[in-house]
Amino acid sequence: GQQLNQSPQSMFIQEGEDVSMNCTSSSIFNTWLWYKQDPGEGPVLLIALYKAGELTSNGRLTAQFGITRKDSFLNISASIPSDVGIYFCAGPSGSNTGKLIFGQGTTLQVKP
Amino acid sequence: GAVVSQHPSRVICKSGTSVKIECRSLDFQATTMFWYRQFPKKSLMLMATSNEGSKATYEQGVEKDKFLINHASLTLSTLTVTSAHPEDSSFYICSAATSKGTMSSSFFGPGTRLTVL
Repeated sequence: GQQLNQSPQSMFIQEGEDVSMNCTSSSIFNTWLWYKQDPGEGPVLLIALYKAGELTSNGRLTAQFGITRKDSFLNISASIPSDVGIYFCAGPSGSNTGKLIFGQGTTLQVKP
Repeated sequence: GAVVSQHPSRVICKSGTSVKIECRSLDFQATTMFWYRQFPKKSLMLMATSNEGSKATYEQGVEKDKFLINHASLTLSTLTVTSAHPEDSSFYICSAATSKGTMSSSFFGPGTRLTVL
């Protein structure tokens, strides 16, 4: 079945540093989604990518949809303490159902 | 817009009791709702897909008699954990999906923390 492999599993960085995480898939995806989850909360959508090669920004966040459609990365520039949380990549499982498959998550900790 | 609520946000119950969790889409009608389960420091695992007016579709390994899902309207789905045991303790998250043309968007609720003693 479909699987999403996300790396790194965790990161501990200094405030102000840039962060990069990526997600790879064993199969082609037509959509890539990046979510952030704060402790005790549900995931919140950060960026949605719909086209191979697409590069999209949301403030200090930038994500790209790989041209092979089997990978995506998320960059966070100039990290701040509130960036702390778990970041998940996700893609649709099946067609047009809203059903998602998630990566394992990247736990980000930022030292002030 | 696109707000999804869950109730309760956290619940503690005794082993053997049943617990109902509600998921509501507050400002849109959800064609489909999904129930996920998340263990500490783990990813979200899909449990079941819930469509209004029809039986839920369960993922492999999820007991349908254990996790009862009712989708009474386009804005409400409920998950009942029956005869709960400590191993059912987890973070349960719902999402509500809406379709526009060929695109589907999913919006997540804030989750419900279930602790079974």
